[in-house]
Amino acid sequence: AQSVTQLGSHVSVSEGALVLLRCNYSSSVPPYLFWYVQYPNQGLQLLLKYTSAATLVKGINGFEAEFKKSETSFHLTKPSAHMSDAAEYFCAVLPNSGYSTLTFGKGTMLLVSP
Amino acid sequence: KAGVTQTPRYLIKTRGQQVTLSCSPISGHRSVSWYQQTPGQGLQFLFEYFSETQRNKGNFPGRFSGRQFSNSRSEMNVSTLELGDSALYLCASSLGQGAQNEQYFGPGTRLTVT
Repeated sequence: AQSVTQLGSHVSVSEGALVLLRCNYSSSVPPYLFWYVQYPNQGLQLLLKYTSAATLVKGINGFEAEFKKSETSFHLTKPSAHMSDAAEYFCAVLPNSGYSTLTFGKGTMLLVSP
Repeated sequence: KAGVTQTPRYLIKTRGQQVTLSCSPISGHRSVSWYQQTPGQGLQFLFEYFSETQRNKGNFPGRFSGRQFSNSRSEMNVSTLELGDSALYLCASSLGQGAQNEQYFGPGTRLTVT
């Protein structure tokens, strides 16, 4: 069974600082990987996805993530945090199959201070 | 293009009652998935429907059921509600099944069981 581990339930950064949210997956074969963001009282919005093309994936709002097979990691980064980035972020894995069933990590709440 | 809509947005029910939640996918989308989000368990997969057929099911008791109609709209039903069923129920739609089809999430239905 596939699983996702997000290190740190809460991450605090100052506005303008680097954002790094960690995600490790377990899978027997390279899966598809996703990062979603959830703002309060809203659904999930896709930030970016890895589907076995380029290992460095660029997403919306200045976020990017790098797939590292040797480390089974897919960490999310943003060079400069903005107050509007404060939200909960979820890493998810989807097996390379015909289904659309996502397995999510527990989420990381990003707090941005002025 | 309208996004995924879920009705109702908020619901309060009493233990033992049953509830039906509705999800209208983006026009043209034929795949609908349901997820339960709780603070303790995080995001957990419930069902996946494609062309009116349940294609995948998560590890939930039989009290949880769902269906999809010919217009791709989907409903999920929870019978004999328990306090632990209090959660945000999210629906996601995509054009088809598989990782190549991006899933779009609705705002969710927040169910409170008292």
